[in-house]
Amino acid sequence: DAGITQSPRHKVTETGTPVTLRCHQTENHRYMYWYRQDPGHGLRLIHYSYGVKDTDKGEVSDGYSVSRSKTEDFLLTLESATSSQTSVYFCAIRRDGDTGELFFGEGSRLTVL
Amino acid sequence: LAKTTQPISMDSYEGQEVNITCSHNNIATNDYITWYQQFPSQGPRFIIQGYKTKVTNEVASLFIPADRKSSTLSLPRVSLSDTAVYYCLVGASGTYKYIFGTGTRLKVLA
Repeated sequence: DAGITQSPRHKVTETGTPVTLRCHQTENHRYMYWYRQDPGHGLRLIHYSYGVKDTDKGEVSDGYSVSRSKTEDFLLTLESATSSQTSVYFCAIRRDGDTGELFFGEGSRLTVL
Repeated sequence: LAKTTQPISMDSYEGQEVNITCSHNNIATNDYITWYQQFPSQGPRFIIQGYKTKVTNEVASLFIPADRKSSTLSLPRVSLSDTAVYYCLVGASGTYKYIFGTGTRLKVLA
C-alpha cells in the first residue's frame, strides 16, 4: 500500500480558520497528489507534486495551497477554510516507473462549520 | 489529458459476470489504462492495469482493443461485496496529472 499516512483523519473547524492536512509516504516516490471527494461525486484533483518544491495545480486549486519541502511529506493548506471545502481529502502517490499505479491514503474528513 | 467516459451506474445480480466499458478516445501512445475500485469511506484501490490486448489477474480481466480507444473491465461472478464505484484512469504521459472521470457505481443485488 506504499506506506501512505494522512493526518489528521478527522477535523472539524470553523469558517475562516487555517487548516493543514499532511500526507506522509515511506517509499520516496516522486509524484504525490491531493484529491477531494464530495458525497456522491468522483475524485477531483487539487494539486500535485513532481518533486521537492515542484508542484502544480489540478482541477480545483482555488482556495488551496501545497508545499513539499521533503520527498516524504506533501502538505495541503486551506488558508481560510470555507464551508464549501467540507469534504474528504485523499492523498495519493504514483509508483515510480512506466506503469505508474496510484496508491491512496485512507482519507481525511474535514468539516468546516 | 485523456478524458474518460464511463456509464454512471450499473446493477447486477450475484453470480453474474459484469462488464464495465470505458471510453478514452485521446489516449496517448505511452499511456497505460488502470482500473480502481472504491468502497464508501475508503480511498480507491488498484484492481488491474493494461496496455493492450488482454490482462487477467485473480480478481478481474481487462480487455483493450487494438486501437486502445476503449477498455472493458470484466468482473467474473460478482458478489455483494463487489458493490463499489469503479474508475477507469488513463496514464497522463508527460505531465502525470491524473484526472478521474465520474466512475461507474456498481450495485450487486442478491
